[in-house]
Amino acid sequence: GAVVSQHPSWVICKSGTSVKIECRSLDFQATTMFWYRQFPKQSLMLMATSNEGSKATYEQGVEKDKFLINHASLTLSTLTVTSAHPEDSSFYICSARDFREWNEQFFGPGTRLTVL
Amino acid sequence: AQKVTQAQTEISVVEKEDVTLDCVYETRDTTYYLFWYKQPPSGELVFLIRRNSFDEQNEISGRYSWNFQKSTSSFNFTITASQVVDSAVYFCALSDTFNTDKLIFGTGTRLQVFP
Repeated sequence: GAVVSQHPSWVICKSGTSVKIECRSLDFQATTMFWYRQFPKQSLMLMATSNEGSKATYEQGVEKDKFLINHASLTLSTLTVTSAHPEDSSFYICSARDFREWNEQFFGPGTRLTVL
Repeated sequence: AQKVTQAQTEISVVEKEDVTLDCVYETRDTTYYLFWYKQPPSGELVFLIRRNSFDEQNEISGRYSWNFQKSTSSFNFTITASQVVDSAVYFCALSDTFNTDKLIFGTGTRLQVFP
């Protein structure tokens, strides 16, 4: 199956700083990528849909100014958590849609963000 | 509204036991996809199966089998002869489009297999 990577795998930052998380499709081009958030022992919640060359579509309740998404190329989407606060600490997972595989979503390994 | 319910929060079994993870879904759409994913302690989601709403055939893959029953809106997952490596959180998910656009995840079932 298709491979999706995320970088970094974990990050610790101070409150008030911004953190960028990268999501890459390694062996395929992805016009659409998705960003999910998972709190400890909870389910995955879709935050936004990232479309190459256009603005991301955010789910209800997700602050677009706080979670900036950029999908500048067919293999890279970035999520920037701006002015991070402890409540933003979470596990962030991206997925990329591979049209070769019936538009199946393939998930990255996730990024664990801890805001002190 | 679409919803996926995994009523079992945690299940503990001893190795070699069979275990069934339940999944009940709600959707008004006639065309939809159902999925199962495994999330080991490392956190990465591992795709297990996708089933479309028109295919009610049960599926078996090694020790894994899935029972899709549209009449009860259920898509249950059975692991036969469980192993310690099966310990993980298992998520059932629903998508209502051919393009698997938005995945609605259940709350997950944590399976612990003891030696």
